[in-house]
Amino acid sequence: GAVVSQHPSWVICKSGTSVKIECRSLDFQATTMFWYRQFPKQSLMLMATSNEGSKATYEQGVEKDKFLINHASLTLSTLTVTSAHPEDSSFYICSAISGGRAADTQYFGPGTRLTVL
Amino acid sequence: GQQLNQSPQSMFIQEGEDVSMNCTSSSIFNTWLWYKQDPGEGPVLLIALYKAGELTSNGRLTAQFGITRKDSFLNISASIPSDVGIYFCAGQLGGANSKLTFGKGITLSVRP
Repeated sequence: GAVVSQHPSWVICKSGTSVKIECRSLDFQATTMFWYRQFPKQSLMLMATSNEGSKATYEQGVEKDKFLINHASLTLSTLTVTSAHPEDSSFYICSAISGGRAADTQYFGPGTRLTVL
Repeated sequence: GQQLNQSPQSMFIQEGEDVSMNCTSSSIFNTWLWYKQDPGEGPVLLIALYKAGELTSNGRLTAQFGITRKDSFLNISASIPSDVGIYFCAGQLGGANSKLTFGKGITLSVRP
């Protein structure tokens, strides 16, 4: 299947700092990538949809100025959590669409555990 | 946002047993997907269903897209310890780039 990577796999930062998370499609080009957040023992909640070369579309209740998304190429999208606070601590997961028969399916990255102290 | 209904939250079975999980929605979807998530990892796609009534197998896994397009089920046969994890269903209404709606997930435990 299609491979999606994330970097870093975990990060600890101080409150008030910014953190950048990368999402890469390794063996395919992804015109669309998605960013999710998952709190412990809960489901994945979509934060935003990222299309290459255009502005991201944010879900209701997600602050676009706090969660900056850049999708500069067909294989890379980044999520920057600005001025992070302890309540931003969560598991952030990206996904990407691959083409062909699986055009309607999303392949997920391994996730990034963010802990804000 | 909208979520799909998965229950119970947890299931406990004996190794070798079969298990069935159901997922229901109040609205229709054009695509149903089943994912498995291990602790600290991202979800891994198990089966994708694209057509109402479709029955698809992947090894010991079998899933069906409900005729009404409002439900799907996943069967795991002859369970083994590595089947332990969280199973999420997800529905997709639009085309290739449309978002997924996830269920809350079912945590499966397999007793050796």
